[in-house]
Amino acid sequence: SQQGEEDPQALSIQEGENATMNCSYKTSINNLQWYRQNSGRGLVHLILIRSNEREKHSGRLRVTLDTSKKSSSLLITASRAADTASYFCATGWGSNDYKLSFGAGTTVTVRA
Amino acid sequence: DAGVTQSPTHLIKTRGQQVTLRCSPKSGHDTVSWYQQALGQGPQFIFQYYEEEERQRGNFPDRFSGHQFPNYSSELNVNALLLGDSALYLCASSLWGRANQPQHFGDGTRLSIL
Repeated sequence: SQQGEEDPQALSIQEGENATMNCSYKTSINNLQWYRQNSGRGLVHLILIRSNEREKHSGRLRVTLDTSKKSSSLLITASRAADTASYFCATGWGSNDYKLSFGAGTTVTVRA
Repeated sequence: DAGVTQSPTHLIKTRGQQVTLRCSPKSGHDTVSWYQQALGQGPQFIFQYYEEEERQRGNFPDRFSGHQFPNYSSELNVNALLLGDSALYLCASSLWGRANQPQHFGDGTRLSIL
């Protein structure tokens, strides 16, 4: 079974709108990462947030982490057609753990 | 600066056959992890190689094996292929390979089993 679960499974928005997707996980984590995957391509790392951080920004991306609720959200502001992709959250356990556990992803479609 | 490269990009095999997939890590990286991604799903961790040894393994049978070479490149071998092995196989590299750092992924090998 997968550690993270993204919600919603799919999202369709107009260019210029904001896109928000959520990730819930089951066990304690050391960090949480978000990745983007364009159709037929590999995953691209977007942002990493550690368990002692609550919010992190990178360009048009904003990630929050609530460890008490075991959840994270990814906000993409002012979306562009190029943001059309699948987005995955991935959790890591600790310094002696090497495995990333991925959710099933949220598919985002940005309409021009 | 070359990123992670994987070969081949596509492969078609039949049930019972064996396959070898290859990965060259990003320059400066010493760790390679392999993931299996079924259609519509997130990647599932197969195993990680560091210093030419398997360091951690996910929930995959012994039919899945690997190797890392002195130049840090890696191979994934799958024996006795099943229809359920059809998936995108992704290679990820990093320095030291810990799960608390970003992973750099290749574009994967699409394996189809007939």
